[in-house]
Amino acid sequence: KQEVTQIPAALSVPEGENLVLNCSFTDSAIYNLQWFRQDPGKGLTSLLLIQSSQREQTSGRLNASLDKSSGRSTLYIAASQPGDSATYLCAVADSWGKFQFGAGTQVVVTP
Amino acid sequence: ETGVTQTPRHLVMGMTNKKSLKCEQHLGHNAMYWYKQSAKKPLELMFVYSLEERVENNSVPSRFSPECPNSSHLFLHLHTLQPEDSALYLCASSQEIGRGHTEAFFGQGTRLTVV
Repeated sequence: KQEVTQIPAALSVPEGENLVLNCSFTDSAIYNLQWFRQDPGKGLTSLLLIQSSQREQTSGRLNASLDKSSGRSTLYIAASQPGDSATYLCAVADSWGKFQFGAGTQVVVTP
Repeated sequence: ETGVTQTPRHLVMGMTNKKSLKCEQHLGHNAMYWYKQSAKKPLELMFVYSLEERVENNSVPSRFSPECPNSSHLFLHLHTLQPEDSALYLCASSQEIGRGHTEAFFGQGTRLTVV
């Protein structure tokens, strides 16, 4: 059974610092990995989707890498801002497109 | 706005009530999902529908009853719930099942409180 782990569970950084969020998964037979952002009490907003054949994906200040063989993905957020404060979730999809989620990393960016 | 709309946003119900959650997507997707998010726990997949046919029932108690009348709408009918069922219920859609390369889009969720 696929297990997804996110470390750290919580992170607090001053504004301007780069954020590094980690996601690991136990079964490397994934079809894609997706990073989401969730604000308190709200739904999930898709940030980046990395296909299994890709090694990284970029969008603005966000960059996500994928090392399928070692079961790891990292989300980098450059020059963090208070508006980046949220919980970040990673999810891996199997061949049916069903997602298994990690518990998330709660990020606080202080002004 | 992700293209997936859930109503209501908040719901408080007694244990003997019957209520329904609604999800609607305007993305032309063929697959729809119900997830449950409890405090401090990862999202749990409850049900998966593909082209109105249920393809996954993840050991969910029968007090939760899904319905998918067409590929754009998904309901979750609730009856005789327990306080531990209080959670954020999230609906998602993706282009189709069986093609793992597709992106999932989520609604804003329904915050359910069972009293």
